[in-house]
Amino acid sequence: GIQVEQSPPDLILQEGANSTLRCNFSDSVNNLQWFHQNPWGQLINLFYIPSGTKQNGRLSATTVATERYSLLYISSSQTTDSGVYFCAVDNYGQNFVFGPGTRLSVLP
Amino acid sequence: GAGVSQSPRYKVAKRGQDVALRCDPISGHVSLFWYQQALGQGPEFLTYFQNEAQLDKSGLPSDRFFAERPEGSVSTLKIQRTQQEDSAVYLCASSLSPAPPQHFGDGTRLSIL
Repeated sequence: GIQVEQSPPDLILQEGANSTLRCNFSDSVNNLQWFHQNPWGQLINLFYIPSGTKQNGRLSATTVATERYSLLYISSSQTTDSGVYFCAVDNYGQNFVFGPGTRLSVLP
Repeated sequence: GAGVSQSPRYKVAKRGQDVALRCDPISGHVSLFWYQQALGQGPEFLTYFQNEAQLDKSGLPSDRFFAERPEGSVSTLKIQRTQQEDSAVYLCASSLSPAPPQHFGDGTRLSIL
């Protein structure tokens, strides 16, 4: 089945810093979503982005489907951005395959 | 309700007991998914419903796991004769159509003693 890799596995930032999270996938995909899992375990949908670029406030995402990767940008990070960021893809099936996640810690 | 609702939020059971986990999807959402998330890992797919039809159950780890959605709305995930390796967070997601985006509930944290 499709393989999903995320980097870096862990990231520590000072509040106000910018960061880029990467998701690589091993096959062409029909759908891709980025999620934020907060410290309370809630999984929040950030972007549905099978291709192209989207922005929502301090967050933006770009997926280059032909090169099989997606990037999540976080600007001016805040302590509330802490948690685990997951990329999930589906290759023309119905269920998502999740990556292992990037654990982000934003320090005050 | 406004979001996907799961109950109970926490469940502790002794090894060998049966458990039932409930998911209330967003009203009108056709598709419903169950995922299992072990500690420190990403969620893993268990099963998928479109309305009341279970279209994919390839992720269920054993025949002790059973899911149903008899009226195409509320779904129940049942685990029989629980084992310690069943300890995990069980997440439910729904989507308006078979296509994303998927919206997740807060999960049920299951601990098997």
